[in-house]
Amino acid sequence: DTAVSQTPKYLVTQMGNDKSIKCEQNLGHDTMYWYKQDSKKFLKIMFSYNNKELIINETVPNRFSPKSPDKAHLNLHINSLELGDSAVYFCASSRRGSSSYNEQFFGPGTRLTVL
Amino acid sequence: ILNVEQSPQSLHVQEGDSTNFTCSFPSSNFYALHWYRWETAKSPEALFVMTLNGDEKKKGRISATLNTKEGYSYLYIKGSQPEDSATYLCAFLDRGSTLGRLYFGRGTQLTVWP
Repeated sequence: DTAVSQTPKYLVTQMGNDKSIKCEQNLGHDTMYWYKQDSKKFLKIMFSYNNKELIINETVPNRFSPKSPDKAHLNLHINSLELGDSAVYFCASSRRGSSSYNEQFFGPGTRLTVL
Repeated sequence: ILNVEQSPQSLHVQEGDSTNFTCSFPSSNFYALHWYRWETAKSPEALFVMTLNGDEKKKGRISATLNTKEGYSYLYIKGSQPEDSATYLCAFLDRGSTLGRLYFGRGTQLTVWP
């Protein structure tokens, strides 16, 4: 059973389009994240939701909008895609609280290519 | 923004060599230090979560030590194998962070040649 899953795995689209990436976790975690892997493989946090509430919102263009319909899902919608949005996007989840020390479980990543 | 530094940035070793690399983090407000292994075309996977000064953790040929007073952790790999090739990330959890945010380093990319 996949713990953290993302769809699609690959996404190729034209500049200016709007697209969504979906993430689901079946670990019973209460916190989910979106990270962007930059060209040097650095993981930059974008957003975090805890129990469907946005708790981390890094400096990300307004074109990026996360949505968490429930604790097990966190989707990322991107409007008016630009060339610079091309990257691998990772979803992750964790259980907040002292026992887990926020150990994060990552999805397989979505490689977005904007042409 | 907290600074988490990893060195070296990349490392090439021969199969059978032992190797180690460093993660430096703020020594104040320490709560936990994570190590993740990230293979190419895969996603990061947790290796260790370390919380106490002097902690030593081991998983097979990989081990890690922690010094919270001086703000560093070492990851050791004994007898490196080609399958150890990956990027090793460390991440710092700040005690003062009510959001539970992890601050990741940029990683050490290890290549083990057969």
